[in-house]
Amino acid sequence: NAGVTQTPKFRVLKTGQSMTLLCAQDMNHEYMYWYRQDPGMGLRLIHYSVGEGTTAKGEVPDGYNVSRLKKKQNFLLGLESAAPSQTSVYFCASSWGEVTEAFFGQGTRLTVV
Amino acid sequence: KNEVEQSPQNLTAQEGEFITINCSYSVGISALHWLQQHPGGGIVSLFMLSSGKKKHGRLIATINIQEKHSSLHITASHPRDSAVYICAVLPTSGTYKYIFGTGTRLKVLA
Repeated sequence: NAGVTQTPKFRVLKTGQSMTLLCAQDMNHEYMYWYRQDPGMGLRLIHYSVGEGTTAKGEVPDGYNVSRLKKKQNFLLGLESAAPSQTSVYFCASSWGEVTEAFFGQGTRLTVV
Repeated sequence: KNEVEQSPQNLTAQEGEFITINCSYSVGISALHWLQQHPGGGIVSLFMLSSGKKKHGRLIATINIQEKHSSLHITASHPRDSAVYICAVLPTSGTYKYIFGTGTRLKVLA
């Protein structure tokens, strides 16, 4: 099984550019999450989804948008106008339920210059 | 004060040593996760527990709900155990939002 797959793995953007990060999972999980990881800080939740077609804001949602496609395995994270403050490592995760084990992707290292 | 505190922040051990990493939290929780992150790599779930103790190979995780404390033990440590170990708690507030510790960076020397 592939588990949770994130694309791309690395990306460099110029300030103001836009991009979409893709998260795909093949475990039929209902819950999906996008986190960012910054030095000296714990992972912080950007947005999450508790099922197909549903999304909600996490702790640090500003500057990001998400969509959970009809194909419920995919969860997209969009940056409409990238800023240097969005330089980070982004992780997608999924879980079957609220209090069940979470599975993480390999991460996307994004640099905004 | 962070809601999830890990100690130590950094740990260097010799191969074969018994290692303990601690996690203390200040909120009521439904579950606690121990995660492992290798340098430049992704994050792997080691344990999810809400009470008692779990064991997998050389890894043991314990939790004391009353004391709001969990420990991750590694027996007979090996250089391949070198990684960042992250504690994450799911509060009972029911907002699906894990709170993560900042991690313990472990280096095991051969």
